Amino acid sequence: SQQGEEDPQALSIQEGENATMNCSYKTSINNLQWYRQNSGRGLVHLILIRSNEREKHSGRLRVTLDTSKKSSSLLITASRAADTASYFCATDAGGYNKLIFGAGTRLAVHP
Amino acid sequence: GAVVSQHPSWVICKSGTSVKIECRSLDFQATTMFWYRQFPKQSLMLMATSNEGSKATYEQGVEKDKFLINHASLTLSTLTVTSAHPEDSSFYICSAPPARAGDTQYFGPGTRLTVL
Repeated sequence: SQQGEEDPQALSIQEGENATMNCSYKTSINNLQWYRQNSGRGLVHLILIRSNEREKHSGRLRVTLDTSKKSSSLLITASRAADTASYFCATDAGGYNKLIFGAGTRLAVHP
Repeated sequence: GAVVSQHPSWVICKSGTSVKIECRSLDFQATTMFWYRQFPKQSLMLMATSNEGSKATYEQGVEKDKFLINHASLTLSTLTVTSAHPEDSSFYICSAPPARAGDTQYFGPGTRLTVL
């Protein structure tokens, strides 16, 4: 399959809780990116983490990368209803700047 | 930052007709652009790589005669869905690679195609 795997497929939490999404990929990479997509809309880039980095922060977002396990996680702290969206990881494993996307996690944050 | 636009943002067509989707880089030149397809509640799947001045390269399983790609200039790539059928209904997204290797790509806002 072209895609990596993400889990969970769906996540439902209450506002204020933390949300953790995981991504696994199959081949070596130079970088891994996380995107958000609101229903029916385009992609919003969140974070890019390079293969020589282990952790990266941006506001309420924290991304980790474990190249030995070929996995990454996205943590959203103190979630808000506005965080409700689908989240995708993507790697450059396709080569030549091609991105290979994970299956995605649908996050629902309830007020 | 770099901006990629798509036109139209949505289109509804009858089965059997052809639909053209444009992808433009607004403030930079792109010798390469990528086309992705996303079915409802699924992830993005790379369809093809559009190359200015040469033929597009298609991913395995994508019919090149059905999805015609033309990279007419350094700022425009077009995807034509020929003889569209309901199963072609999808969200089509284009992107341009970053100016610097390893940076993030520039994604267009997507085009929603509905084939009746």
